[in-house]
Amino acid sequence: GEDVEQSLFLSVREGDSSVINCTYTDSSSTYLYWYKQEPGAGLQLLTYIFSNMDMKQDQRLTVLLNKKDKHLSLRIADTQTGDSAIYFCAAMDSSYKLIFGSGTRLLVRP
Amino acid sequence: EADIYQTPRYLVIGTGKKITLECSQTMGHDKMYWYQQDPGMELHLIHYSYGVNSTEKGDLSSESTVSRIRTEHFPLTLESARPSHTSQYLCASSTGQAVGRLYEQFFGPGTRLTVL
Repeated sequence: GEDVEQSLFLSVREGDSSVINCTYTDSSSTYLYWYKQEPGAGLQLLTYIFSNMDMKQDQRLTVLLNKKDKHLSLRIADTQTGDSAIYFCAAMDSSYKLIFGSGTRLLVRP
Repeated sequence: EADIYQTPRYLVIGTGKKITLECSQTMGHDKMYWYQQDPGMELHLIHYSYGVNSTEKGDLSSESTVSRIRTEHFPLTLESARPSHTSQYLCASSTGQAVGRLYEQFFGPGTRLTVL
């Protein structure tokens, strides 16, 4: 089955770019997602990418997909303190289940 | 607008009690899910349902049970709570995949359960 992995922690300075990385194992995943979780809250969909795309940009967010290496990344430009949260990478399997990574805790230092 | 609700938001209860965590959605979604989230952040799927009267166990074994009598309602029950059940429980719902439509899971705010 699908397995999704992420680094656990990232610390950046306010105004810098953040890059969160993710790897997955099932090359047949159609959709790949980035979710954000703020303290005490549920998950909120940030952005997504179809498997036939290489890149998607949405305001400060850029998603890069390398299908050959099964590698997904999320870049946040001009990171703000409000971006501090846990970010989850997820891949959809063939039965409509989302397989989540373990989450990356992003800390933005003033 | 995604509308999925969970109650209670926080629950502290003693060992051996029976509890039900409520989850409701007003979007008419067929698919609903329960996740258990470790203190260390990782999410584990414990139950899912693809429609009324359909329930399946997820990837992580759980002593909880679920029911799906109505489309909008997917409660989770623990017959006898134990300290090992202490966790955050997240409910989600989604439509099915369709051509040209994104498959997305919408999450509720979660219930933080503490069993003493």
